[in-house]
Amino acid sequence: KNEVEQSPQNLTAQEGEFITINCSYSVGISALHWLQQHPGGGIVSLFMLSSGKKKHGRLIATINIQEKHSSLHITASHPRDSAVYICAVRFPLSGSARQLTFGSGTQLTVLP
Amino acid sequence: EPEVTQTPSHQVTQMGQEVILRCVPISNHLYFYWYRQILGQKVEFLVSFYNNEISEKSEIFDDQFSVERPDGSNFTLKIRSTKLEDSAMYFCASSGSSYNEQFFGPGTRLTVL
Repeated sequence: KNEVEQSPQNLTAQEGEFITINCSYSVGISALHWLQQHPGGGIVSLFMLSSGKKKHGRLIATINIQEKHSSLHITASHPRDSAVYICAVRFPLSGSARQLTFGSGTQLTVLP
Repeated sequence: EPEVTQTPSHQVTQMGQEVILRCVPISNHLYFYWYRQILGQKVEFLVSFYNNEISEKSEIFDDQFSVERPDGSNFTLKIRSTKLEDSAMYFCASSGSSYNEQFFGPGTRLTVL
């Protein structure tokens, strides 16, 4: 069964801390997305990656294809980063080349 | 910056009623998706749509669901006879190709009473 696991489930940090959220998946993928879900429910796409590393502002996403693992890092965290961060993957071998399979999300709270 | 829009933002309906959720994808995108998220649970794939037909659907997407692109801009999800368990947040997404990044709308919160 194609599965996506995220850790930790909940994370509380002090403003300014470096944050890491992890995602692992069971079988080979064609792409991995990191998404941010705001308290109101809306979903924003942060990154899509299939290899290596991407950076946007204070956010960095990495993926290790061999280890089937990705990390999302937030440098110099700020209370406005508080949200649910979701990892979602596309499994190419299931025949479902387009649909995303989602992790359960990591609730991040950054305290001032 | 182009974005996916969804209406209404919140829909309340009685069990057994039909509802139509509307989405306007990004204008030059070709692939469209519906996902749902039951409160406290993971986001789940419902259906993908390309070239005026369904390209993939999940087990959740049974005969009570249908999708349509009635004109050049709208993409709709119809639930024929709503059940209590259909209460969820429904997200529309679109992408330029099947392997491109998907962009999500703000969601429609459906409450079935």
